[in-house]
Amino acid sequence: DIQMTQSPASLSASLEEIVTITCQASQDIGNWLAWYQQKPGKSPQLLIYGATSLADGVPSRFSGSRSGTQYSLKISRLQVEDPGIYYCLQGYSAPYTFGAGTKLELK
Amino acid sequence: QVQLKESGPGLVQPSRTLSLTCTVSGFSLTSYGVSWVRQPPGKGLEWIAAIWSGGSTDYNSALKSRLSFSRDTSKSQVLLKMNSLQTEDTAMYFCARLPYYYPDYWGQGVMVTVSS
Repeated sequence: DIQMTQSPASLSASLEEIVTITCQASQDIGNWLAWYQQKPGKSPQLLIYGATSLADGVPSRFSGSRSGTQYSLKISRLQVEDPGIYYCLQGYSAPYTFGAGTKLELK
Repeated sequence: QVQLKESGPGLVQPSRTLSLTCTVSGFSLTSYGVSWVRQPPGKGLEWIAAIWSGGSTDYNSALKSRLSFSRDTSKSQVLLKMNSLQTEDTAMYFCARLPYYYPDYWGQGVMVTVSS
């Protein structure tokens, strides 16, 4: 199975700050990667698919990028509604696998 | 609009079989896949299985021997069964629509507790 190593496990950032979360794939997965945000007691929400494509209705301050087998989610200017847990998901080959998650808090 | 709703027993005894139903609306199961994802309390997401629009299935490697997955397109339902339940199977179980490999719309989830 493909392993997704996500970092950091948690971070604290201030409003308007730039935040970056990364996922390292254990093998080449192309652009078959998605990012999700989950808030307490809620279902995950799709942010990014195809490594770089913004899902419908997602603010443009969210962006995704890829460098080899490392994938990044960037929040350009952290807003009050952005805290939550962020997950990556690889869809290159089944079984698909999530990263362990990054808990983002406001400082 | 697109909706998914999970239903299940809530409480299951150890070693018994769990049956979960995902009832969908706003799309056809012959055009989109559906996946199941679970989340133990306070922990991360775990991908369980997917059934694709053509009816083929994929399973989590560690759970594969305990899972069966089917659908009833006439009722817009996807059915998941997991046998030999243990306490570590206690989790929130979500179903989600699959336009490709990534879920886009999710149900609200159903909490399943394995306990005697």
